[in-house]
Formats: sequence, C-alpha cells, structure tokens
Amino acid sequence: DAGITQSPRYKITETGRQVTLMCHQTWSHSYMFWYRQDLGHGLRLIYYSAAADITDKGEVPDGYVVSRSKTENFPLTLESATRSQTSVYFCASSDGGAIETQYFGPGTRLLVL
Amino acid sequence: AQSVAQPEDQVNVAEGNPLTVKCTYSVSGNPYLFWYVQYPNRGLQFLLKYITGDNLVKGSYGFEAEFNKSQTSFHLKKPSALVSDSALYFCAVRYAGKSTFGDGTTLTVKP
Repeated sequence: DAGITQSPRYKITETGRQVTLMCHQTWSHSYMFWYRQDLGHGLRLIYYSAAADITDKGEVPDGYVVSRSKTENFPLTLESATRSQTSVYFCASSDGGAIETQYFGPGTRLLVL
Repeated sequence: AQSVAQPEDQVNVAEGNPLTVKCTYSVSGNPYLFWYVQYPNRGLQFLLKYITGDNLVKGSYGFEAEFNKSQTSFHLKKPSALVSDSALYFCAVRYAGKSTFGDGTTLTVKP
C-alpha cells in the first residue's frame, strides 16, 4: 500500500538498550522528518533529511542517530535508551520545499523502563 | 527563532455552533502556516495551509483559517461544528526549511 508506515507501532525496552524505529514512505518524497510528541510540548523535531545521505539536526537531537541510505527509508536509532525518551515518535515526509505539506505516519509508542 | 503559540489547551463548543481555535506565531520573515488535526492513536493529518495571497484559506472538512499579518495570527474556524470534529489540533509555522508546531488544542464538540 502506498503511504508512510512506521514499525514497530509499540515498543517496550529497558534503559541502556539500543532501539531502532523504522520509517518507510512510498511517494519518493525528498524530505523526511522525525518528531517526538510529549504532553505539554507538542511535536518537537529530532532530525530531518533533505535527501538520501543528507541529514540535519532538529530541536532535540541528543541521544538519537539517523541515517538515510535510501530515499524511502529513514530509521531512527536510540543508541542507549533513557526513560526520558519514553514518547510517541512520528515520522513524516514531504515533497521538498518550504510550502509543501508534511504527511505523517501513524506513530510509534515507545516505553523505556 | 520561530515560535507558535496556541493559547488554549481546550476548546469546548456545542454541535452546530461556530468554532475558533487560536494560533499566533513569531517569525522574522514571511511565514508558511499550516493546520493539522490528530485523532486518537493516529498521526497528524493536513487540514490547510497559507502560503500567500488571499488571507482566508479554505481546507478540508469545512475548516477555514484567516491569516492576519498585523496580529501575527492564523486562527482556525468552522461555521458549524460537528461531534466528529472533536480531536487535537496543531498549528505549525514553516520558515527556513524547518517546521515548528504549537502544543496543540483539544477541541471537544458536544451534542
């Protein structure tokens, strides 16, 4: 099916473990984004990518790593998970340019114990 | 730096009444402004955007928004609310390639 998908949808992990959240889009959009959503903070940008092999930090990048070897995939890795990284993570994509709409995935709920 | 404020955490309206969800922004240049809606356990869905031109923008599901440059506002409106409009609404400003979202406003429409 076309669109933007995220996996897993739910994840429970322990402090200190490495976790990778996957994001896949079928539109060949050039831009992809990772946000976290927390109560009282709205959405905060973690990282974004303008094209394959081009990534840049957002508002809250510490503790996260991204890569973009293919246009359609944009995985987000928590190298050593902390409780403060318990959140809902959303991936989004857009067709580039400042005026383009972002399309969001369904989200991944991550609980770090 | 750019910022977005949604001054109301919660808006309650009766079905059939008009609704307004407020948004103000701060950015150094000309902004691109967006409204998104989020239903429970779902990602954000695009409603409408202002790029340039007419200050009144019409979007999905009967929503519209008015851009007011002097008041730096971009309030979301609908003439007649539906119970199914109940959701979390986010305003966003995009400038210099980055998007900044407000904290969201929960809209509850009561029958």
